[in-house]
Amino acid sequence: ETGVTQSPTHLIKTRGQQVTLRCSSQSGHNTVSWYQQALGQGPQFIFQYYREEENGRGNFPPRFSGLQFPNYSSELNVNALELDDSALYLCASSATSGGPPRYEQYFGPGTRLTVT
Amino acid sequence: AQSVAQPEDQVNVAEGNPLTVKCTYSVSGNPYLFWYVQYPNRGLQFLLKYITGDNLVKGSYGFEAEFNKSQTSFHLKKPSALVSDSALYFCAVRDSVSGTASKLTFGTGTRLQVTL
Repeated sequence: ETGVTQSPTHLIKTRGQQVTLRCSSQSGHNTVSWYQQALGQGPQFIFQYYREEENGRGNFPPRFSGLQFPNYSSELNVNALELDDSALYLCASSATSGGPPRYEQYFGPGTRLTVT
Repeated sequence: AQSVAQPEDQVNVAEGNPLTVKCTYSVSGNPYLFWYVQYPNRGLQFLLKYITGDNLVKGSYGFEAEFNKSQTSFHLKKPSALVSDSALYFCAVRDSVSGTASKLTFGTGTRLQVTL
């Protein structure tokens, strides 16, 4: 069983730039969620994708957007980067349908974004 | 709105002693509760969950957690701590009536330090 993978591992961007982070979900999982973990904090829910549609959103501005592809992989895009966007971005996958529900989400290793 | 509180920033325990990491929660419906562990520069690793049934749930690496509905708590426990258990532990909750979006709300984390 292949786990959740994310790329890149680390990224340094300048304020005002745009960034795209990528996630491949665990085999058999059709739902992808993105979280932002600032230093010393717990992860904060950004949004979730199911069947290529946004399926719930946390308290993040529209410059945070995403995509889910037919193979269930996903992208997180952040426009007009701000210094406060510096964080670890975590992708998590889960199986929403097909078989007994399991409820837990499985996380990738994260992408460390630094905005200067 | 759902929320999680982890009242201790750090828990210190000697190897071989029992450990408890505390968590209390607030949700509008029945809670789905989770514990995750995070090692340095790594993503979150699923330990265990409570969905329904027995109030004592067992998980990975000898960890268990006790669900207490009247106290709205879900404390993580282990009978005998190991130095390798030293890590950052997160409690998370999901509301069972949140619809199709399985948003997890995390606490701020508790750092567990196990010493010889």
